[in-house]
Amino acid sequence: GAVVSQHPSRVICKSGTSVKIECRSLDFQATTMFWYRQFPKKSLMLMATSNEGSKATYEQGVEKDKFLINHASLTLSTLTVTSAHPEDSSFYICSAREGAHNEKLFFGSGTQLSVL
Amino acid sequence: QQQVKQSPQSLIVQKGGISIINCAYENTAFDYFPWYQQFPGKGPALLIAIRPDVSEKKEGRFTISFNKSAKQFSLHIMDSQPGDSATYFCAASSGAAGNKLTFGGGTRVLVKP
Repeated sequence: GAVVSQHPSRVICKSGTSVKIECRSLDFQATTMFWYRQFPKKSLMLMATSNEGSKATYEQGVEKDKFLINHASLTLSTLTVTSAHPEDSSFYICSAREGAHNEKLFFGSGTQLSVL
Repeated sequence: QQQVKQSPQSLIVQKGGISIINCAYENTAFDYFPWYQQFPGKGPALLIAIRPDVSEKKEGRFTISFNKSAKQFSLHIMDSQPGDSATYFCAASSGAAGNKLTFGGGTRVLVKP
């Protein structure tokens, strides 16, 4: 299957700092990437849809100024958690699909963010 | 509003047994139903998926059964192994809605040796 690389796998930061998470599709071009958030023992919650070359579409209740998404190329999307606070601590996962109408999604390995 | 309901929340099965996880959906526009396996600290991995024009799909030890009229689908793991111990998520998406996945709540499966 297609490979999606997510980096870093784990990050610890101080409250008030910003953290950038990268999501790369290694062997295919991803016109669309999705960012999810997952709390312990809970399901995945979609945060936003990232389309290459255009602004991200955020789900209801997700602060776009807090979670900045950039999809500058067909293989890279980034999520920046700005002015992080302890309540932003969570597991963040990206996913990507090959082609605009392909329903198959492949997930990155996730990033565990801990804000002190 | 939870559009995909998954049960049970957790499941314990003996090695060699069958694990059965059920999901029910509400949105009749859903046209793609994948199952994902997730290990702790890792992202979900696609296991198997089905479309509504098929009632059953089998890949190795994993089988999806799909009942369109009841709006239900299930995952059967045959000959369960300790390595199958993980959290399983059903999901659904609609091509008309941009193929955004809606996930079920997840089932933690523990296979005892």
